[in-house]
Amino acid sequence: DQQVKQNSPSLSVQEGRISILNCDYTNSMFDYFLWYKKYPAEGPTFLISISSIKDKNEDGRFTVFLNKSAKHLSLHIVPSQPGDSAVYFCAAGNRDDKIIFGKGTRLHILP
Amino acid sequence: SQTIHQWPATLVQPVGSPLSLECTVEGTSNPNLYWYRQAAGRGLQLLFYSIGIGQISSEVPQNLSASRPQDRQFILSSKKLLLSDSGFYLCALGVGYNEQFFGPGTRLTVL
Repeated sequence: DQQVKQNSPSLSVQEGRISILNCDYTNSMFDYFLWYKKYPAEGPTFLISISSIKDKNEDGRFTVFLNKSAKHLSLHIVPSQPGDSAVYFCAAGNRDDKIIFGKGTRLHILP
Repeated sequence: SQTIHQWPATLVQPVGSPLSLECTVEGTSNPNLYWYRQAAGRGLQLLFYSIGIGQISSEVPQNLSASRPQDRQFILSSKKLLLSDSGFYLCALGVGYNEQFFGPGTRLTVL
């Protein structure tokens, strides 16, 4: 049973436009959510997180939105840059410190 | 600052051979440590986690095992590799309340 779902395996966006990566979850007990970015042959790096008590968190070009009623979160990147091309993992966790990851979405930024 | 070392970086092994992947961390004590596997189409799958020496929790039943002989050492092993064990293996350490910091990974190819 997949508790964290990223239904789009890949996404292509023009450079300078907005990239929107989506994530759905099933477990209402998750109390925080994270996004990680991964380049090939490297470990994932933490990007941004949001607590379940918030609906938005912003860090520079990256904004994460949380809709608890819909059990949905999204990562917005604006403007998109070539270096943003990577695989993005959505993750969710609760107080026992285990994090559950989605399958990832590969983002291609087109010139 | 915290550092994670993983070796080897790449490994090619025949089916049925044993496996030992090592992860060591620096810059922290008594960390929570994790083994993940990234396989094609499977995202990041949590395999094992450890909250201390000799304490291992298995998330997915399989032919892999993990051990934590020292506080900052986490080892992933197998007695007989399967083709399906191919993937990118990542060691991670729990940081703060809700983040995980990942190592550089080991690319394992089972032939």
